[in-house]
Amino acid sequence: NAGVTQTPKFRVLKTGQSMTLLCAQDMNHEYMYWYRQDPGMGLRLIHYSVGEGTTAKGEVPDGYNVSRLKKQNFLLGLESAAPSQTSVYFCASSDPGARGNTIYFGEGSWLTVV
Amino acid sequence: AQSVAQPEDQVNVAEGNPLTVKCTYSVSGNPYLFWYVQYPNRGLQFLLKYITGDNLVKGSYGFEAEFNKSQTSFHLKKPSALVSDSALYFCAVRDILTSGTYKYIFGTGTRLKVLA
Repeated sequence: NAGVTQTPKFRVLKTGQSMTLLCAQDMNHEYMYWYRQDPGMGLRLIHYSVGEGTTAKGEVPDGYNVSRLKKQNFLLGLESAAPSQTSVYFCASSDPGARGNTIYFGEGSWLTVV
Repeated sequence: AQSVAQPEDQVNVAEGNPLTVKCTYSVSGNPYLFWYVQYPNRGLQFLLKYITGDNLVKGSYGFEAEFNKSQTSFHLKKPSALVSDSALYFCAVRDILTSGTYKYIFGTGTRLKVLA
């Protein structure tokens, strides 16, 4: 049971480069999320999706774009990477129909922008 | 808007002693509250949740949490700490949006260090 899988796990980018983080979940969850984790700031929501073809902005959406073309996948894009986007990125998913709506996380993607 | 606060950046406890990691919340309506644990270089793992009912919630690895409505708190507890419990702990609340959809708000995390 894979759960939530993120690729790549580690990446180093140069300022101005672009890249896409891929998240895949095999739990048939409707909702998916991208968070970033920075020291002393906990987890901050970047974007989220409540179903295939839908996306919405979270707390810190600037500099990121997302797409949810398939229910099981949620992509996070950085069009022009900046050093401030150096962070650990977590994808997560949840089932709105499940009692308690537990959110499940991937293992994280470590991104460094130099 | 809903929010959670974890007032302690770090908690130190001796192995075998009881531990408490604090969380307070601010919500409108009935809260859905969660605790997660993060080990180094790993994702967040679900520990337990409160939806309704019994104020004492039991979870994984011997952890439990006490929901206190009057104090708006949801503290994480364990009767006897293990060195392997050393990790980063996050409290979270479910935030229902006007559209009827929801998202999760996380605290800033508390690092638990259990000393042998």
